[in-house]
Amino acid sequence: DAGVIQSPRHEVTEMGQEVTLRCKPISGHNSLFWYRQTMMRGLELLIYFNNNVPIDDSGMPEDRFSAKMPNASFSTLKIQPSEPRDSAVYFCASSLAAIGEQFFGPGTRLTVL
Amino acid sequence: AQTVTQSQPEMSVQEAETVTLSCTYDTSESNYYLFWYKQPPSRQMILVIRQEAYKQQNATENRFSVNFQKAAKSFSLKISDSQLGDTAMYFCAFFSFNAGNNRKLIWGLGTSLAVNP
Repeated sequence: DAGVIQSPRHEVTEMGQEVTLRCKPISGHNSLFWYRQTMMRGLELLIYFNNNVPIDDSGMPEDRFSAKMPNASFSTLKIQPSEPRDSAVYFCASSLAAIGEQFFGPGTRLTVL
Repeated sequence: AQTVTQSQPEMSVQEAETVTLSCTYDTSESNYYLFWYKQPPSRQMILVIRQEAYKQQNATENRFSVNFQKAAKSFSLKISDSQLGDTAMYFCAFFSFNAGNNRKLIWGLGTSLAVNP
């Protein structure tokens, strides 16, 4: 099993640019989670999907952030326009909803200049 | 609402010694899971150990074991024979079976553990 796959692993962009982060969950998992981690705020849940449907997006910081899950094997997190305060490590995780254990991808380190 | 508290932001231990990380949680439910995750400097989040609330026996995984006190709502992690590779941030997390469609983990803020040579 390849585990959760995220791309890119590193992203450096300039303020105002659009950023798209991608995630492929573990095959067979029906829940997908997007997290953001910073030194100041720790690990924050941004949004999660169950069976491709967004269940809780209360952690999405503002309208500049959006997430989609068009099918069971792919999800995106988009930031437009990006700002320096969006610099963080973004994690994607997947799980079988019934057991709660989440498997994390390696993360995307985003730097907005 | 459930909460998870890790009261030790930072800890250190000498190599080969034993260390215990604390975690307490607040819930009115009886059916849930508890987890410890490890995040080393590589930043990869790794599951260390899982405890089902209905099980009285404490979970163990090699050098890692838990002390699960359901009545006290306490879930501490003991690391025996600490190794340099155990240096990491450790997160405690709670999962409820009774939350309907809400399948997210409730996370503590983490404990940064340094294993010193």
